Amino acid sequence: DAKTTQPPSMDCAEGRAANLPCNHSTISGNEYVYWYRQIHSQGPQYIIHGLKNNETNEMASLIITEDRKSSTLILPHATLRDTAVYYCIVRVFQGAQKLVFGQGTRLTINP
Amino acid sequence: ETGVTQSPTHLIKTRGQQVTLRCSSQSGHNTVSWYQQALGQGPQFIFQYYREEENGRGNFPPRFSGLQFPNYSSELNVNALELDDSALYLCASSSGQAGRPNYGYTFGSGTRLTVV
Repeated sequence: DAKTTQPPSMDCAEGRAANLPCNHSTISGNEYVYWYRQIHSQGPQYIIHGLKNNETNEMASLIITEDRKSSTLILPHATLRDTAVYYCIVRVFQGAQKLVFGQGTRLTINP
Repeated sequence: ETGVTQSPTHLIKTRGQQVTLRCSSQSGHNTVSWYQQALGQGPQFIFQYYREEENGRGNFPPRFSGLQFPNYSSELNVNALELDDSALYLCASSSGQAGRPNYGYTFGSGTRLTVV
């Protein structure tokens, strides 16, 4: 069962910041939040991950609330190539570390 | 550094047949996971292999089986194919071991299986 809830779709203007929300209210203390994106049914591409602190890399920033029940992925300057399905994922440990995907958010960047 | 490669890219099989999908993990990665992604859905975990043994499984029947080889490459086998097995099958590799935090997963581009 998915542990994350995301809006099914979002739009953003090119050049603006895209803020993608995610709820994971049942997350456990040692479970990481991952973000991946998928373009045209290719393999998912890693964006960023975190446990409880905010994280930033060359692609995006991840803001995790203090209670860890929600997070926001920020693409600071969206381009047309950022159009994709974005998955907020919880990594759980059930005999093996596995990624539990939700339905994802289809982000469309408009010119 | 090579990424994760999967073969074949596309495959058409008849209901009741058997299929083998292959995955070469990223250099330095010793753990391989397989996911099934139905059209319009997020990927679903099938199972994971570490040190040539299955160490975790999702809600998939036993006709889904796998292998991992000493070079960490892997196979996914599906017997008695059903129409609902039509999906994109993704392989993901990672380093480390269960319980070790803070490591990432690299996905391949997948194998598109169509069962007719």
